[in-house]
Amino acid sequence: NAGVTQTPKFRVLKTGQSMTLLCAQDMNHEYMYWYRQDPGMGLRLIHYSVGEGTTAKGEVPDGYNVSRLKKQNFLLGLESAAPSQTSVYFCASTSDPRGVYEQYFGPGTRLTVT
Amino acid sequence: RKEVEQDPGPFNVPEGATVAFNCTYSNSASQSFFWYRQDCRKEPKLLMSVYSSGNEDGRFTAQLNRASQYISLLIRDSKLSDSATYLCVVNIPLSSNTGKLIFGQGTTLQVKP
Repeated sequence: NAGVTQTPKFRVLKTGQSMTLLCAQDMNHEYMYWYRQDPGMGLRLIHYSVGEGTTAKGEVPDGYNVSRLKKQNFLLGLESAAPSQTSVYFCASTSDPRGVYEQYFGPGTRLTVT
Repeated sequence: RKEVEQDPGPFNVPEGATVAFNCTYSNSASQSFFWYRQDCRKEPKLLMSVYSSGNEDGRFTAQLNRASQYISLLIRDSKLSDSATYLCVVNIPLSSNTGKLIFGQGTTLQVKP
């Protein structure tokens, strides 16, 4: 099993450009999450999904959109990138929605917006 | 006040030392507690869950004090390979069957020869 994979691993965008980050998991998990990690801030939840076709906002959703068209995939979109979105983005998945069991993370996407 | 607070360190210790990390959380409704380990430029991975009675996994011991809303991680006989950032993670219930994880900013440990 590959677990959780993310593409791309690195990306540099200019302000105003758009891009989509792809997360895929092969563990048949119902619940998936997008986080961003910034120095001194810890991981912050952007959006999450409790199943195919459903998404919800997390703590810092502004400037991002998500879609979960297939159970195994969770996409994070930036419609008009801003320098404040320079960060490391992690996707995670779990079999439990209550936060009781482990979340499995992908390797991350390092995004720089200039 | 941050929902989960940790001393960011860094903690610089020699091999073989014992080191302890502390964490406090603000939401008394939290039910589940974890320590995750994150190596430099890698993803977080679960190190261990933290149970009310305290629990041990080899050289690692985790303790929980619900009254003080305090979590600790003790590492004995530190190895070079223990060098990493340790994230304190707490769940917050959103409903009867959903919750979210809140991550501390992490405590960095550097074990030196």
